[in-house]
Amino acid sequence: AQSVSQHNHHVILSEAASLELGCNYSYGGTVNLFWYVQYPGQHLQLLLKYFSGDPLVKGIKGFEAEFIKSKFSFNLRKPSVQWSDTAEYFCAVIPNSGGYQKVTFGTGTKLQVIP
Amino acid sequence: DTGVSQNPRHKITKRGQNVTFRCDPISEHNRLYWYRQTLGQGPEFLTYFQNEAQLEKSRLLSDRFSAERPKGSFSTLEIQRTEQGDSAMYLCASSLNELTTPSDTQYFGPGTRLTVL
Repeated sequence: AQSVSQHNHHVILSEAASLELGCNYSYGGTVNLFWYVQYPGQHLQLLLKYFSGDPLVKGIKGFEAEFIKSKFSFNLRKPSVQWSDTAEYFCAVIPNSGGYQKVTFGTGTKLQVIP
Repeated sequence: DTGVSQNPRHKITKRGQNVTFRCDPISEHNRLYWYRQTLGQGPEFLTYFQNEAQLEKSRLLSDRFSAERPKGSFSTLEIQRTEQGDSAMYLCASSLNELTTPSDTQYFGPGTRLTVL
């Protein structure tokens, strides 16, 4: 079974600081990887996803993530955060075989951006 | 609003009572997912429907939990004989295609927050 680890539970940054949120997964086969975001009072929504090809994936609002297969990692980055990036961020994984639709989420990282 | 809707948004019940939640997916989506999220945790997969067929169930879905999607549109999640440990946010999501399809994704509803006293 797959699993996801997010090591940063709560991150506080000042505006314009750079962001990197860690995500490591455990699974023996090929996976698809996601970052979801939940802004205060809003639904969980997709930020970006990796399926294949270029390991550097760009998402909405200037976010990007890099898939490093050898490290089983899919870290989320943003060069300069804004106050509006305050949210909870979830890394998730789904096996890319067998037709299974079980998405496994990490425990989430709460990001607080101080103006 | 053409997003995923869930009702009720909040439910408070006493231990031992039965509760039922409803999820209305995006209209053309034939795939529907239920998750449970407790405080400090990410969503945990409960079950998955393709049309009316329940194709995957987590071991988290004990025999007190049952989910249905009788006509392949809305879905219900019932919890019988609720326990305090059932207190959580119950999330529903839908997608048009399988989640391993690069062009597709799942869209989440606002959730139903269950409190068992």
